[in-house]
Amino acid sequence: GESVGLHLPTLSVQEGDNSIINCAYSNSASDYFIWYKQESGKGPQFIIDIRSNMDKRQGQRVTVLLNKTVKHLSLQIAATQPGDSAVYFCAENQAGTALIFGKGTTLSVSS
Amino acid sequence: EPEVTQTPSHQVTQMGQEVILRCVPISNHLYFYWYRQILGQKVEFLVSFYNNEISEKSEIFDDQFSVERPDGSNFTLKIRSTKLEDSAMYFCASSEVFGYGYTFGSGTRLTVV
Repeated sequence: GESVGLHLPTLSVQEGDNSIINCAYSNSASDYFIWYKQESGKGPQFIIDIRSNMDKRQGQRVTVLLNKTVKHLSLQIAATQPGDSAVYFCAENQAGTALIFGKGTTLSVSS
Repeated sequence: EPEVTQTPSHQVTQMGQEVILRCVPISNHLYFYWYRQILGQKVEFLVSFYNNEISEKSEIFDDQFSVERPDGSNFTLKIRSTKLEDSAMYFCASSEVFGYGYTFGSGTRLTVV
């Protein structure tokens, strides 16, 4: 079946490094993509989103890149901080359907 | 900032018992959702709800599950006869537009023993 997934279950970086978290999706009909951050014991927290008519979107310290040709989504976090340590999920949907999550990547930031 | 509120934060129940998980969505949101997350796994869609009807549900959402908006503020998920495999975090979410702009609650940890 079609699903959204992440390439790596864990990522460890040093404080101040840039982090890149990747996600591959298989549903070519998906037109909306979101990155969520989940801290221990909390619900998913919105980070940034992107629609399929864009290939890049920037927020504060975060950038999402969308490559529709290879169905790949990435989240870049600049100057990673210990507070960025969490599980990161990508999620997708197409118009009229509920959001579907992929498997998470656990980001660990050491100082 | 508006929040989605879920109660209780942790519920322990015996297998076969009924549980009701409660959520108060953001007041001007029209679309409501339940998701669950088994420990260490991804967040899975259960059901979406709009205008007092289920608009979409997943294969997980079988006859043991039901949802209700009993009044103007609460949105509930009922599990009729809990099984061990129902143990998970259950997240409620709401949005103004279907499928976009979700706000999630902090979840209810359900433990079935």
